[in-house]
Amino acid sequence: EVQLVESGGGLVQPGESLRLSCATSGFNFGTYWMAWVRQAPGKGLEWVANIKQDGSDKHYADSMGGRFTISRDNAKESLYLQMDSLRPEDTAVYFCARDFTTRDNNGYHDAYDIWGQGTMVTVSS
Amino acid sequence: AIQMTQSPSSLSASVGDRVTITCRASQGIRNDLGWYQQKPGKAPKLLIYAASSLQSGVPSRFSGSGSGIDFTLTISSLQPEDFATYYCLQDYNYPRTFGQGTRVEIK
Repeated sequence: EVQLVESGGGLVQPGESLRLSCATSGFNFGTYWMAWVRQAPGKGLEWVANIKQDGSDKHYADSMGGRFTISRDNAKESLYLQMDSLRPEDTAVYFCARDFTTRDNNGYHDAYDIWGQGTMVTVSS
Repeated sequence: AIQMTQSPSSLSASVGDRVTITCRASQGIRNDLGWYQQKPGKAPKLLIYAASSLQSGVPSRFSGSGSGIDFTLTISSLQPEDFATYYCLQDYNYPRTFGQGTRVEIK
Protein backbone atom coordinates (compact mmCIF):
# COMPACT_ATOMS: atom_id res chain seq x y z
CA GLU A 1 0.00 0.00 0.00
CA VAL A 2 1.27 3.45 -0.94
CA GLN A 3 1.52 5.56 2.18
CA LEU A 4 2.79 8.94 3.33
CA VAL A 5 3.00 9.67 7.06
CA GLU A 6 3.92 13.12 8.35
CA SER A 7 5.36 13.80 11.80
CA GLY A 8 7.15 16.52 13.70
CA GLY A 9 4.36 19.02 14.16
CA GLY A 10 3.62 20.69 17.46
CA LEU A 11 3.38 23.94 19.40
CA VAL A 12 6.30 26.34 19.10
CA GLN A 13 6.88 29.98 19.94
CA PRO A 14 7.38 32.69 17.32
CA GLY A 15 10.96 32.74 16.06
CA GLU A 16 11.58 29.09 16.83
CA SER A 17 12.33 26.27 14.39
CA LEU A 18 10.68 22.97 13.58
CA ARG A 19 11.52 20.09 11.27
CA LEU A 20 8.73 18.11 9.68
CA SER A 21 9.23 14.61 8.30
CA CYS A 22 7.26 12.55 5.81
CA ALA A 23 7.93 8.82 5.83
CA THR A 24 6.89 7.02 2.68
CA SER A 25 6.31 3.41 1.72
CA GLY A 26 4.83 1.31 -1.04
CA PHE A 27 6.40 3.05 -4.03
CA ASN A 28 9.80 3.89 -5.48
CA PHE A 29 10.35 7.15 -3.60
CA GLY A 30 13.50 8.11 -5.46
CA THR A 31 11.69 8.34 -8.81
CA TYR A 32 9.15 11.01 -7.80
CA TRP A 33 9.20 14.74 -7.18
CA MET A 34 7.69 15.42 -3.76
CA ALA A 35 5.92 18.44 -2.30
CA TRP A 36 4.61 20.13 0.83
CA VAL A 37 1.22 21.86 0.96
CA ARG A 38 -0.27 23.59 4.00
CA GLN A 39 -3.69 24.68 5.19
CA ALA A 40 -4.28 27.26 7.89
CA PRO A 41 -7.27 26.60 10.17
CA GLY A 42 -10.48 27.24 8.26
CA LYS A 43 -8.59 28.41 5.17
CA GLY A 44 -7.73 27.07 1.73
CA LEU A 45 -4.78 25.08 0.49
CA GLU A 46 -1.41 26.79 0.03
CA TRP A 47 1.47 25.28 -1.92
CA VAL A 48 4.72 25.43 0.06
CA ALA A 49 7.57 23.77 -1.86
CA ASN A 50 8.65 20.85 -3.99
CA ILE A 51 11.85 18.94 -4.68
CA LYS A 52 13.21 16.93 -7.58
CA GLN A 53 13.94 13.22 -7.39
CA ASP A 54 17.65 13.64 -6.63
CA GLY A 55 17.25 16.84 -4.59
CA SER A 56 19.06 18.96 -7.18
CA ASP A 57 16.09 21.25 -7.92
CA LYS A 58 13.80 22.89 -5.37
CA HIS A 59 11.06 25.50 -5.58
CA TYR A 60 9.33 27.52 -2.87
CA ALA A 61 6.29 29.71 -2.43
CA ASP A 62 7.18 33.40 -2.30
CA SER A 63 5.60 33.78 1.14
CA MET A 64 8.08 31.38 2.74
CA GLY A 65 10.72 34.09 2.33
CA GLY A 66 13.74 31.82 2.53
CA ARG A 67 12.74 30.57 5.99
CA PHE A 68 11.78 27.07 4.84
CA THR A 69 14.06 24.40 3.37
CA ILE A 70 12.81 21.25 1.69
CA SER A 71 15.06 18.19 1.54
CA ARG A 72 14.90 14.45 1.09
CA ASP A 73 16.76 11.26 1.92
CA ASN A 74 16.12 8.67 -0.76
CA ALA A 75 17.83 5.93 1.23
CA LYS A 76 15.36 6.51 4.05
CA GLU A 77 12.48 7.18 1.61
CA SER A 78 11.71 10.34 3.53
CA LEU A 79 10.91 13.97 2.82
CA TYR A 80 11.64 16.85 5.18
CA LEU A 81 10.68 20.48 5.73
CA GLN A 82 12.94 22.60 7.92
CA MET A 83 11.03 25.65 9.11
CA ASP A 84 12.97 28.50 10.73
CA SER A 85 11.92 31.85 12.19
CA LEU A 86 8.37 30.62 12.51
CA ARG A 87 5.55 33.16 12.61
CA PRO A 88 1.97 32.89 13.89
CA GLU A 89 0.79 32.95 10.26
CA ASP A 90 2.66 29.68 9.66
CA THR A 91 0.11 27.93 11.88
CA ALA A 92 -1.39 25.25 9.65
CA VAL A 93 -1.75 21.59 8.87
CA TYR A 94 1.20 20.58 6.71
CA PHE A 95 0.66 17.85 4.12
CA CYS A 96 3.28 16.01 2.12
CA ALA A 97 2.27 14.84 -1.33
CA ARG A 98 3.63 12.71 -4.14
CA ASP A 99 4.05 14.59 -7.39
CA PHE A 100 3.37 12.44 -10.41
CA THR A 101 4.17 13.61 -13.90
CA THR A 102 2.29 12.88 -17.09
CA ARG A 103 2.89 13.97 -20.65
CA ASP A 104 0.62 14.89 -23.52
CA ASN A 105 0.83 16.96 -26.69
CA ASN A 106 1.11 20.12 -24.58
CA GLY A 107 4.07 18.85 -22.60
CA TYR A 108 4.53 17.67 -19.04
CA HIS A 109 1.92 17.97 -16.29
CA ASP A 110 2.31 17.59 -12.53
CA ALA A 111 -0.34 16.59 -10.05
CA TYR A 112 -0.42 15.39 -6.47
CA ASP A 113 -1.87 11.90 -6.45
CA ILE A 114 -0.97 10.64 -2.98
CA TRP A 115 -1.21 12.69 0.23
CA GLY A 116 -0.34 12.16 3.85
CA GLN A 117 -2.83 12.79 6.65
CA GLY A 118 -1.10 16.01 7.68
CA THR A 119 0.70 17.25 10.78
CA MET A 120 -0.40 20.32 12.74
CA VAL A 121 2.01 23.15 13.41
CA THR A 122 0.95 25.85 15.87
CA VAL A 123 3.05 28.96 16.31
CA SER A 124 1.97 30.90 19.36
CA SER A 125 3.40 32.55 22.44
CA ALA B 1 2.67 34.52 -9.24
CA ILE B 2 -0.31 33.32 -11.24
CA GLN B 3 -3.60 33.99 -9.49
CA MET B 4 -6.32 31.36 -9.68
CA THR B 5 -9.85 32.60 -9.10
CA GLN B 6 -12.59 30.09 -8.47
CA SER B 7 -16.29 30.72 -8.69
CA PRO B 8 -18.57 30.43 -6.95
CA SER B 9 -16.95 30.38 -3.52
CA SER B 10 -19.83 28.21 -2.34
CA LEU B 11 -22.98 26.67 -3.72
CA SER B 12 -25.97 24.70 -2.49
CA ALA B 13 -27.19 21.80 -4.57
CA SER B 14 -29.32 18.70 -4.31
CA VAL B 15 -28.46 15.09 -4.93
CA GLY B 16 -28.76 14.45 -8.66
CA ASP B 17 -28.02 18.04 -9.67
CA ARG B 18 -25.47 18.95 -12.29
CA VAL B 19 -22.80 21.14 -10.70
CA THR B 20 -20.25 23.34 -12.45
CA ILE B 21 -17.28 25.05 -10.81
CA THR B 22 -15.02 27.41 -12.71
CA CYS B 23 -11.42 28.44 -12.27
CA ARG B 24 -9.85 31.40 -14.06
CA ALA B 25 -6.12 31.97 -14.31
CA SER B 26 -4.57 35.45 -14.34
CA GLN B 27 -2.61 34.42 -17.44
CA GLY B 28 -2.67 31.56 -19.91
CA ILE B 29 -1.60 28.22 -18.43
CA ARG B 30 -2.22 25.88 -21.40
CA ASN B 31 -3.90 22.85 -19.82
CA ASP B 32 -1.66 22.78 -16.74
CA LEU B 33 -4.43 22.48 -14.18
CA GLY B 34 -5.68 19.95 -11.68
CA TRP B 35 -8.80 19.64 -9.55
CA TYR B 36 -8.87 18.36 -5.97
CA GLN B 37 -11.65 17.41 -3.57
CA GLN B 38 -11.26 17.87 0.17
CA LYS B 39 -13.58 16.74 2.93
CA PRO B 40 -13.36 18.19 6.46
CA GLY B 41 -10.39 16.89 8.41
CA LYS B 42 -9.06 14.92 5.46
CA ALA B 43 -6.28 15.29 2.93
CA PRO B 44 -7.14 16.52 -0.55
CA LYS B 45 -7.87 13.96 -3.25
CA LEU B 46 -6.85 14.32 -6.88
CA LEU B 47 -9.80 14.21 -9.27
CA ILE B 48 -8.57 15.64 -12.57
CA TYR B 49 -5.11 16.40 -13.98
CA ALA B 50 -4.00 18.09 -17.19
CA ALA B 51 -7.35 19.92 -17.14
CA SER B 52 -9.42 17.01 -18.43
CA SER B 53 -7.79 13.69 -17.54
CA LEU B 54 -9.69 11.66 -14.96
CA GLN B 55 -7.52 10.27 -12.19
CA SER B 56 -7.66 6.50 -11.81
CA GLY B 57 -10.46 5.38 -9.52
CA VAL B 58 -12.41 8.65 -9.70
CA PRO B 59 -16.06 8.23 -10.76
CA SER B 60 -16.89 9.22 -14.33
CA ARG B 61 -19.48 11.76 -13.15
CA PHE B 62 -16.50 14.08 -12.61
CA SER B 63 -15.12 15.79 -15.68
CA GLY B 64 -12.84 18.71 -16.43
CA SER B 65 -12.48 21.00 -19.39
CA GLY B 66 -10.77 24.17 -20.50
CA SER B 67 -7.48 25.50 -21.71
CA GLY B 68 -5.62 28.76 -21.51
CA ILE B 69 -7.38 30.90 -18.90
CA ASP B 70 -10.78 29.36 -18.19
CA PHE B 71 -11.39 25.92 -16.74
CA THR B 72 -14.40 23.99 -15.53
CA LEU B 73 -15.03 21.09 -13.18
CA THR B 74 -18.40 19.42 -13.73
CA ILE B 75 -20.17 16.88 -11.58
CA SER B 76 -22.85 15.42 -13.82
CA SER B 77 -25.10 14.03 -11.07
CA LEU B 78 -24.21 15.08 -7.54
CA GLN B 79 -23.99 12.23 -5.04
CA PRO B 80 -24.11 12.45 -1.22
CA GLU B 81 -20.39 11.73 -0.98
CA ASP B 82 -19.58 14.68 -3.27
CA PHE B 83 -20.40 17.34 -0.69
CA ALA B 84 -16.96 18.78 -0.07
CA THR B 85 -14.67 21.66 -0.99
CA TYR B 86 -13.04 21.70 -4.41
CA TYR B 87 -9.77 23.38 -5.38
CA CYS B 88 -8.00 24.01 -8.64
CA LEU B 89 -4.19 24.07 -8.81
CA GLN B 90 -2.04 25.38 -11.65
CA ASP B 91 1.17 23.54 -12.52
CA TYR B 92 2.17 25.85 -15.38
CA ASN B 93 4.95 27.57 -13.47
CA TYR B 94 6.37 28.29 -10.02
CA PRO B 95 5.16 29.00 -7.48
CA ARG B 96 2.25 26.63 -7.87
CA THR B 97 -0.98 28.31 -6.85
CA PHE B 98 -4.37 27.03 -5.71
CA GLY B 99 -7.74 28.61 -6.21
CA GLN B 100 -9.45 29.75 -3.02
CA GLY B 101 -11.84 26.79 -3.04
CA THR B 102 -15.51 26.14 -3.75
CA ARG B 103 -17.61 24.64 -1.00
CA VAL B 104 -20.45 22.40 -2.24
CA GLU B 105 -23.21 22.15 0.35
CA ILE B 106 -26.45 20.25 0.60
CA LYS B 107 -29.55 22.23 -0.33
